[in-house]
Amino acid sequence: EVQLVQSGAEVKKPGESLKISCKGSGYSFTSYWIAWVRQMPGKGLEWMGIIFPGDSDTRYSPSFQGQVTISGDKSISTAYLQWSSLKASDTAMYYCARTDYFGSGSYNYWGQGTLVTVSS
Amino acid sequence: QSVLTQPPSASGTPGQRVTISCSGSSSNIGINTVNWYQQLPGTAPKLLIYINDQRPSGVPDRFSGSKSGTSASLAISGLQSEDEADYYCAAWDDSLNGPVFGGGTKLTVL
Repeated sequence: EVQLVQSGAEVKKPGESLKISCKGSGYSFTSYWIAWVRQMPGKGLEWMGIIFPGDSDTRYSPSFQGQVTISGDKSISTAYLQWSSLKASDTAMYYCARTDYFGSGSYNYWGQGTLVTVSS
Repeated sequence: QSVLTQPPSASGTPGQRVTISCSGSSSNIGINTVNWYQQLPGTAPKLLIYINDQRPSGVPDRFSGSKSGTSASLAISGLQSEDEADYYCAAWDDSLNGPVFGGGTKLTVL
């Protein structure tokens, strides 16, 4: 069974750093793209970027380029999303999702989400 | 403001058929396939329709998708109370080189 399991909820202060994770299982982790999607409170879905764990090829949405870093560790089948200096506006639910095809917008497996709260 | 445009809300009574529209442009829906997601309250999105009109295994045939030009639609027939959720359309955008989403439509079953 394909599963994406994300790390738990985080409460951070503005200016702090953070790295959240997404662990894949039940399939060949290095063979499928993993994307990160943001959902701010009461709002819609926003694509942040994507990584191909097989060779760490990474792409970013222009809206998130320079704001976050996406990385992966194929030895432990895990993708990461990290911030070097959080802002209150980063408060959101973050989902990882797998796609069979990079250029499709079709994500057939999703993690359960990681809630990030940034507050002083 | 989302790149793809959806109505913010839709409603229907049990058993009815409802449709949700999604309007895009020549850089996304006009040249790429459309996907639909269902997000039940407090849960992660779930892929409902891919490649315009294909249903993943396990999705009831009450759900159907279509696309014409730069617009797409999701139809739900035989509406059930458990269909109450947020629905999002998505498509690859060649200008942004990434997928874009609609703002979501909240479906209420009266």
